[in-house]
Amino acid sequence: SYELTQPPSVSVSPGQTARITCSGETLSQHFGHWYQQRPGQAPILVIYKNTERPSRIPERFSGSHSGTTLTLTINGVQAEDEAVYYCQSPDSTNTYKFFGGGTKLTVL
Amino acid sequence: QVQLVQSGAEVKEPGASVKVSCKASGNTFTTYEINWVRQATGQGLDWMGWLKPNSGNTGYAQKFQGRVTITRDISLTTAYMELSSLRSDDTAVYYCVVGDYMDVWGKGTTVTVFS
Repeated sequence: SYELTQPPSVSVSPGQTARITCSGETLSQHFGHWYQQRPGQAPILVIYKNTERPSRIPERFSGSHSGTTLTLTINGVQAEDEAVYYCQSPDSTNTYKFFGGGTKLTVL
Repeated sequence: QVQLVQSGAEVKEPGASVKVSCKASGNTFTTYEINWVRQATGQGLDWMGWLKPNSGNTGYAQKFQGRVTITRDISLTTAYMELSSLRSDDTAVYYCVVGDYMDVWGKGTTVTVFS
């Protein structure tokens, strides 16, 4: 079964930059997306098509892509950014969708 | 923007089936693919399957093949996810999600399976 690999946790101090990676074979062929999930809430889309940011998402969120790796970058991290972040992408056939295991961002 | 209203919490015994509904507001029901995603307590997101409302075509994650059925009623702008042969590890929050990039999420429906 296809897998997307994320680090389990990332910690940063307020105002610093957080980077969360997501690795998977088919990320070189298909777009990936990022979701933020705060405790007790449904996920929300923060980055789509590797690098695009929905208009309602703050500019400090950005995405990048290189080969088989996506990176979510949060500049000037704020306390409200503390959440679990998931990447998502399809398999090579673009039929089945997969989520990464999630990365808990802790703001120290 | 489309909004999704899911049905209420369910409690089921092992071996039973559950059918969760997801009503979409607006007139864009047939525009976007509908996905179902579940999340057990303290666990990650688990994609279950998709449905294309126009055609009714579906695709299911291999781990749920044979147990999950996603359907829709266009006249009611409602999608359904039915999961059969429930086990205790099916206890989770079930989300319907629409959009090209899964950008609109319902609030989730809690399904609890216990005897």
